[in-house]
Amino acid sequence: EVQLVESGGGLVQPGGSLRLSCVASGFTVSREYMSWVRQAPGKGLEWVSVIYSGGSTYYADSVKGRFTISRDNSKNTLELQMSSLRADDTAVYYCVRVRWDLPGWAWGQGTLVTVSS
Amino acid sequence: DIQMTQSPSTLSASVGDRVTITCRASQSLTSWLAWYQQKPGKAPKLLIYKTSSLESGVPSRFSGSGSGTEFTLTISSLQPDDFATYYCQKYNSYFWTFGQGTKVEIK
Repeated sequence: EVQLVESGGGLVQPGGSLRLSCVASGFTVSREYMSWVRQAPGKGLEWVSVIYSGGSTYYADSVKGRFTISRDNSKNTLELQMSSLRADDTAVYYCVRVRWDLPGWAWGQGTLVTVSS
Repeated sequence: DIQMTQSPSTLSASVGDRVTITCRASQSLTSWLAWYQQKPGKAPKLLIYKTSSLESGVPSRFSGSGSGTEFTLTISSLQPDDFATYYCQKYNSYFWTFGQGTKVEIK
């Protein structure tokens, strides 16, 4: 069974850093397109970043230069390193398996990041 | 960067109604367009990928179509479980983006 479980969220002060993890089961992260999507409280979905199976990475303008997406193949895990956090980064962060032109996409349950002093 | 605009923002409908949600792109897209359903407090659920392909396990009353700059999600006969918020998403190249969402409410 395909499953994604995020962790690492919490309360952090403005300017601080946080590292999110997404443990995958039922498939191999390094062979898939994997993305992070976030949702601020009461707002819509916002795409954050994607890592292609070949390793290319892309970011939304709002996080470029502050966030880094990566994979830990030994742990079959997707990660998001977030730095210089701002209040408007407060959101639930979801990791997503994107199957492109095949069925079987998957979302995690999300992890809440709160940036506040 | 391509922007995605959904319409309407809110839609009031009754059980059994045929419902259509539109997603317009600021530039012509390839077929990499997905549709999601989200209920309060839950992660989004994929309905449609590659414009018109139905995700496994999704009821056949959901369908997607479109090309160029205009794409649609249609629910052929609205069911009680379908009252939710729906999002389109462009996925390809270096910039992925969501529409702002369409809330389907009970009339």
